[in-house]
Amino acid sequence: AAGVIQSPRHLIKEKRETATLKCYPIPRHDTVYWYQQGPGQDPQFLISFYEKMQSDKGSIPDRFSAQQFSDYHSELNMSSLELGDSALYFCASSLSSLAAQPDTQYFGPGTRLTVL
Amino acid sequence: AQSVAQPEDQVNVAEGNPLTVKCTYSVSGNPYLFWYVQYPNRGLQFLLKYITGDNLVKGSYGFEAEFNKSQTSFHLKKPSALVSDSALYFCAVRDRASGTYKYIFGTGTRLKVLA
Repeated sequence: AAGVIQSPRHLIKEKRETATLKCYPIPRHDTVYWYQQGPGQDPQFLISFYEKMQSDKGSIPDRFSAQQFSDYHSELNMSSLELGDSALYFCASSLSSLAAQPDTQYFGPGTRLTVL
Repeated sequence: AQSVAQPEDQVNVAEGNPLTVKCTYSVSGNPYLFWYVQYPNRGLQFLLKYITGDNLVKGSYGFEAEFNKSQTSFHLKKPSALVSDSALYFCAVRDRASGTYKYIFGTGTRLKVLA
């Protein structure tokens, strides 16, 4: 079965540079979520999109932005990178997040961002 | 606000023995609870979820979890542990306060199954 695809899997950047992470949800899934997992920490919710509109916002820095495109893939744009942005960034997708019954979120393998 | 707690950073168990990974929750309204497993340098894999119905939920790889409303717990269990079960386990609660369903994760419990 198709899973969530994330690219790149690894990314190394310098401080103050920008980075773009991509996420391709499971086909027919209409909701995409972004999480950040720091070393030895639990995943923290950043932002989500439902049907190409931002649906929820968590602890996402102002330096970060994201969008969901017409083909439902999503991109997380990160600017003015800081050392503390080094983390594993997960994308998850689900179907009909606004439905009465919560659907399961399926996670991608993550993008490991290292800021030097 | 919704939250989950995993009181144990690490659980060690001998192969073949039963295992339990603990999770307690604090939610307003009906809880929607999930367990995920994370292997090194891998994404989070869904194990099981509780929405409603039977308190004992069966999931992937022989895992099950028992929902206990009076104790606000959702402990993950397996009758006989395998070395390959060694991984990081996260309990999560769905936060529906804002209309969409982001997850709030616990801090994770590292399970070590010893041969």
